[in-house]
Amino acid sequence: FMLTQPHSVSESPGKTVIISCTRSSGSIATNHVQWYQQRPGSSPTTVIYDDNQRPSGVPDRFSGSIDSSSNSASLTISGLKTEDEADYYCQSYDSSSPWVFGGGTKLTVL
Amino acid sequence: EVLLVQSGAEVKKPGESLKISCKASGYKFNNYWIGWVRQMPGKGLEWMGVIYPGDSDTTYSPSFQGQVTISADKSISTAYLQWSSLRASDTAMYYCARPTSFYHSGGFYSSGVFDIWGQGTMVTVSS
Repeated sequence: FMLTQPHSVSESPGKTVIISCTRSSGSIATNHVQWYQQRPGSSPTTVIYDDNQRPSGVPDRFSGSIDSSSNSASLTISGLKTEDEADYYCQSYDSSSPWVFGGGTKLTVL
Repeated sequence: EVLLVQSGAEVKKPGESLKISCKASGYKFNNYWIGWVRQMPGKGLEWMGVIYPGDSDTTYSPSFQGQVTISADKSISTAYLQWSSLRASDTAMYYCARPTSFYHSGGFYSSGVFDIWGQGTMVTVSS
């Protein structure tokens, strides 16, 4: 299966942005979705795990959700800050593919 | 503090061999899987494979099976990724990362989030 993300999104500081991740086959609700943030020149870090859980240290401006009707997951970032500018990757799995990453979304905060 | 510290950048010629490392600290190395993830220049993340250092059980992504070898040395809490003959297309950043869980049996898999990442090792292959 594949995970499809928009190539890029942009929004102004203080606003809210939603990044989608659509699963091509199999139910999005069957296997957990993770979200990683990768700032330029840095390693990825987890911002959401198991669909909607935030690791300690990640601000509550970040939230994750699942929508079975569109077979997609979403990462919502509210109160955008310039420091949120990064690439964001969704990731999930199925019984035959342990780690499948989406293609990544470049978030620009302008 | 849980850390994965990777070896430094490498510049190699096509056909050469290479082994890069990922040293773990702050947790019981033997008890957690460690994976490798490739990121080609300007591209996304690709899972390559994982190893359980406790018994060296290794699972590869079909895309990387036969192209690389993953190993681990429990005595020094270090995982490795190696190539026997590099190609220009191997030019990429390589990350080691620790998943919270991994289960496999008879071709069935389930996996957890990569919660700890190394700083990455840039490998450049050029003649």
